[in-house]
Amino acid sequence: DQQVKQNSPSLSVQEGRISILNCDYTNSMFDYFLWYKKYPAEGPTFLISISSIKDKNEDGRFTVFLNKSAKHLSLHIVPSQPGDSAVYFCAASEWQNQFYFGTGTSLTVIP
Amino acid sequence: DADVTQTPRNRITKTGKRIMLECSQTKGHDRMYWYRQDPGLGLRLIYYSFDVKDINKGEISDGYSVSRQAQAKFSLSLESAIPNQTALYFCATSDSRLAGVRREQYFGPGTRLTVT
Repeated sequence: DQQVKQNSPSLSVQEGRISILNCDYTNSMFDYFLWYKKYPAEGPTFLISISSIKDKNEDGRFTVFLNKSAKHLSLHIVPSQPGDSAVYFCAASEWQNQFYFGTGTSLTVIP
Repeated sequence: DADVTQTPRNRITKTGKRIMLECSQTKGHDRMYWYRQDPGLGLRLIYYSFDVKDINKGEISDGYSVSRQAQAKFSLSLESAIPNQTALYFCATSDSRLAGVRREQYFGPGTRLTVT
């Protein structure tokens, strides 16, 4: 059973607007969460992470929010740029064990 | 030069053939992983290795085997390839010294495998 879910396969946003990508998980023991970005013909690259002891982590235009009670995290991109168009994967792990990845959301930023 | 390299980048093979995918890294990381990506299924873990003598099965290890020849090299083998192993395969590395604080993985560019 999928422990990490991204229910939106795709998302389109106008340039300059906010992009919000969502991720849900089922395992309450997960304590570390990450977002990866993937361009075609390339491997995923790390974008931003958050520990379960925090509810927000910000890095430039990217902010990740964690709601542990809802087992939900989201990635906000503000402002969105055409170069942000890619597939975004969320991932989660329990202590130092393996990571579980979501199915990905394809973001298109329209100029 | 890329930190994590995979060879080959593309491979077409026939059902029943044995095939090996290779991964090398220059990051000095002790942990290495093999994933496969399928449309609509995201990235799924096949095998992972926390050091040369520590190899573990992931979610979908059936039909695959691995070899950690050195800290920098981790190979994935399909002993008898079948069509539903057609996928994009990624190798990744991470550093256990950072595992308590930062656990991101670094991925190779991927190998596109087609089994006919």
